[in-house]
Amino acid sequence: AQKVTQAQTEISVVEKEDVTLDCVYETRDTTYYLFWYKQPPSGELVFLIRRNSFDEQNEISGRYSWNFQKSTSSFNFTITASQVVDSAVYFCALSGLGETSGSRLTFGEGTQLTVNP
Amino acid sequence: DTEVTQTPKHLVMGMTNKKSLKCEQHMGHRAMYWYKQKAKKPPELMFVYSYEKLSINESVPSRFSPECPNSSLLNLHLHALQPEDSALYLCASSQVLREGDEKLFFGSGTQLSVL
Repeated sequence: AQKVTQAQTEISVVEKEDVTLDCVYETRDTTYYLFWYKQPPSGELVFLIRRNSFDEQNEISGRYSWNFQKSTSSFNFTITASQVVDSAVYFCALSGLGETSGSRLTFGEGTQLTVNP
Repeated sequence: DTEVTQTPKHLVMGMTNKKSLKCEQHMGHRAMYWYKQKAKKPPELMFVYSYEKLSINESVPSRFSPECPNSSLLNLHLHALQPEDSALYLCASSQVLREGDEKLFFGSGTQLSVL
């Protein structure tokens, strides 16, 4: 069975602070995919990043960076110099190879990030 | 066009009503999804269509009936719902890549209230 744990239910920071959202996963698959999605108050989930289990390179995209560590089964997400527009719920998700086409994502419970001016 | 469009945005229905949720995408994606999301919870997968065929049904009650009339459209027919079915219903689409590797594009959802 697959499981994703986001231990931080809510985080509140002041604008320009750096913030890290934790994600720990469990899977028996040797090939799997990890994702981060952002859900602003408008409701739609916005894709941020996809990483497969064979690619442990960290990634940076503007103010966003991701740290994938297979040894600790973690895929943490850091926002540098946070802004009010970063306020949203962030979901970490895991997908393994399935028997049918179409992705079956296992989501974590989400972390509500509030960035105060 | 990288949008998934869902209508209506809000829906209030009684337990004896029949209604439909609609979803449309024009990105050429061949996989489409329905998710249900309760407040302060993650989305839960309901159905997946791949090449217009139902490929995943996560043991959803029969009062929810999906339909994929063509590669761009996805409907969710609702009948005899219960108040606990009140939730945000999200549609998503993706290219069919290696299984598990699909990047999903989500619509902004239909907020459903069942009275």
